[in-house]
Amino acid sequence: GAVVSQHPSWVICKSGTSVKIECRSLDFQATTMFWYRQFPKQSLMLMATSNEGSKATYEQGVEKDKFLINHASLTLSTLTVTSAHPEDSSFYICSARGGTGSYSNQPQHFGDGTRLSIL
Amino acid sequence: GDSVTQMEGPVTLSEEAFLTINCTYTATGYPSLFWYVQYPGEGLQLLLKATKADDKGSNKGFEATYRKETTSFHLEKGSVQVSDSAVYFCATNTGGFKTIFGAGTRLFVKA
Repeated sequence: GAVVSQHPSWVICKSGTSVKIECRSLDFQATTMFWYRQFPKQSLMLMATSNEGSKATYEQGVEKDKFLINHASLTLSTLTVTSAHPEDSSFYICSARGGTGSYSNQPQHFGDGTRLSIL
Repeated sequence: GDSVTQMEGPVTLSEEAFLTINCTYTATGYPSLFWYVQYPGEGLQLLLKATKADDKGSNKGFEATYRKETTSFHLEKGSVQVSDSAVYFCATNTGGFKTIFGAGTRLFVKA
């Protein structure tokens, strides 16, 4: 089945550091990937839609200069949290739709998430 | 716009109890419906899905039926186990690229 790999799974770093998170679709091509942020005991908050070969589409209130998204190939999207601060600490999850059937019927396949802790 | 509403948690049950987590949706057209499960510290996994009215999705003893007349997709399991403790998300694909998620329902199963 469709598998999405996300790396790293855990990052602890100092304030001011930039952190890159990778999301790969391992056995299917994903022209569109999604980046979510999840606060403790809350639902997923869509941050942006990553489009292969073009600019990402950010949701309202998400700083595009803070959260840089690059989708350079059909199997890789990256999220870079620039100059991270403690308030950026969170659980970040990527996903991509894939599988058989029409695109509208395909489920999301999620990475295992990245727990980011900024000291 | 499209939306998903699911029952608030947490839901606490004893092992072998019957589980129902309600989910209703608002969407135009004929959306596909999904249940995802998130175990502690992990990403989300697809649990089951249904792509058209009256379809029943099932997996690992869980099932949900796509009810267009009531715009519902309630999740049920006849006998829960401690290992089912997790957060469950109901979701629907919109006509575009996005997936709309419910707020999630946390389930605790006691031995």
